[in-house]
Amino acid sequence: GAGVSQSPSNKVTEKGKDVELRCDPISGHTALYWYRQSLGQGLEFLIYFQGNSAPDKSGLPSDRFSAERTGGSVSTLTIQRTQQEDSAVYLCASSRDGKNQPQHFGDGTRLSIL
Amino acid sequence: GENVEQHPSTLSVQEGDSAVIKCTYSDSASNYFPWYKQELGKGPQLIIDIRSNVGEKKDQRIAVTLNKTAKHFSLHITETQPEDSAVYFCAAGRSSGGYQKVTFGIGTKLQVIP
Repeated sequence: GAGVSQSPSNKVTEKGKDVELRCDPISGHTALYWYRQSLGQGLEFLIYFQGNSAPDKSGLPSDRFSAERTGGSVSTLTIQRTQQEDSAVYLCASSRDGKNQPQHFGDGTRLSIL
Repeated sequence: GENVEQHPSTLSVQEGDSAVIKCTYSDSASNYFPWYKQELGKGPQLIIDIRSNVGEKKDQRIAVTLNKTAKHFSLHITETQPEDSAVYFCAAGRSSGGYQKVTFGIGTKLQVIP
């Protein structure tokens, strides 16, 4: 594809509900990253995938957060029992491999928890 | 872990003037320093990057400098234009566990006044 695609672009949900965010990386990119960007803040690393495996989950803030990647392509980030502090923009990036290649970002999903 | 500090947090310049954004990092093992531009409602876009074996890199109106001894790097934009208005993020990356882990600064909101 032309770039990293994320869906939905916006998501509003009630506190306590589960949400699923999707990322479709650039075709051929084996490395995939999830970040969280709170209002006026920098990018907070959440998780890294190389192929289907996730060798670094160190940034996931709690066990309510999980992510998977199937077929070495599309990834989903799931947040269970959402809380108001989960409100943020969730950004996905991909790179050709995980070693020394620049990361290319999607436009993010803006998540609002009421 | 790595800590990246970025300043100023906001910067206003007159069209045609230069803009300089400065970052420091803490991990001497960091060897990759990308800069991203983020426009409202969009994901960060890579504008230039530099690796630790290079002290300076230029691309048209944009230049980056790196001082490894002092652990600081800077972005210079010359002849600024209104379309340069955006939030700029610096980042420092290093190889960790077989992949490149990147830590971002908090961002600089640049406003170019016509």
